[in-house]
Amino acid sequence: DIQMTQSPSSLSASVGDRVTITCQASQDISNYLNWYQQKPGKAPKLLISDASNLETGVPSRFSGSGSGTDFTFTVSSLQPEDIATYYCQQYDNLPLTFGGGTKVEIK
Amino acid sequence: QVRLAESGGGVVQPGRSLRLSCAASGFTFSSYGMHWVRQAPGKGLEWVALIWDDGRNKNYVDSVKGRFTISRDNSKNTLYLQMDSLRPEDTAVYYCARDRVAVAAQMLDCWGQGTLVTVSS
Repeated sequence: DIQMTQSPSSLSASVGDRVTITCQASQDISNYLNWYQQKPGKAPKLLISDASNLETGVPSRFSGSGSGTDFTFTVSSLQPEDIATYYCQQYDNLPLTFGGGTKVEIK
Repeated sequence: QVRLAESGGGVVQPGRSLRLSCAASGFTFSSYGMHWVRQAPGKGLEWVALIWDDGRNKNYVDSVKGRFTISRDNSKNTLYLQMDSLRPEDTAVYYCARDRVAVAAQMLDCWGQGTLVTVSS
């Protein structure tokens, strides 16, 4: 199975800050990497597909980059409504696997 | 609009069975692969199973192989998860999710609200 390692596991930032989350795959997954946002008590929501494609309706302050084994998810200017846990997910091979999540809080 | 609604969760004793359902609406159900994903209390997401658009291919995470069965009824726009020989470690919120494609596993672009399964004596 492909292991996905996310860091940090949690972070606290101020409104307007730039926030960066990294995700490392245990083997080369090309760009077969998605990012999800899960707000407390809610289902996950797909934000970014294929490492860098922003889903329709997702604010442009969210972005993703990377390929191979190293990926980055960025919020360019953190907003109060961005409080959530973010997960990466690979689809190069089954089983689909998720990173452990990054909980983002407002300082 | 696209909607997925899970049902069938509850409290069940170890070793017993439970069947979850996921009713789909707002899209052509028979044209999409479907997944079950679970989340143990306070934990991260774990993919459980996938079924292709017409049901001809199914895949499972190792921890549920031989105990869980994913199926679908395209005439009823409904996805199922039959869970047998349940264990305490199966306790989780179970989500159904739609894949963007029909015959592979890629990205889960629509999720239900989840149904809680608690396995406890």
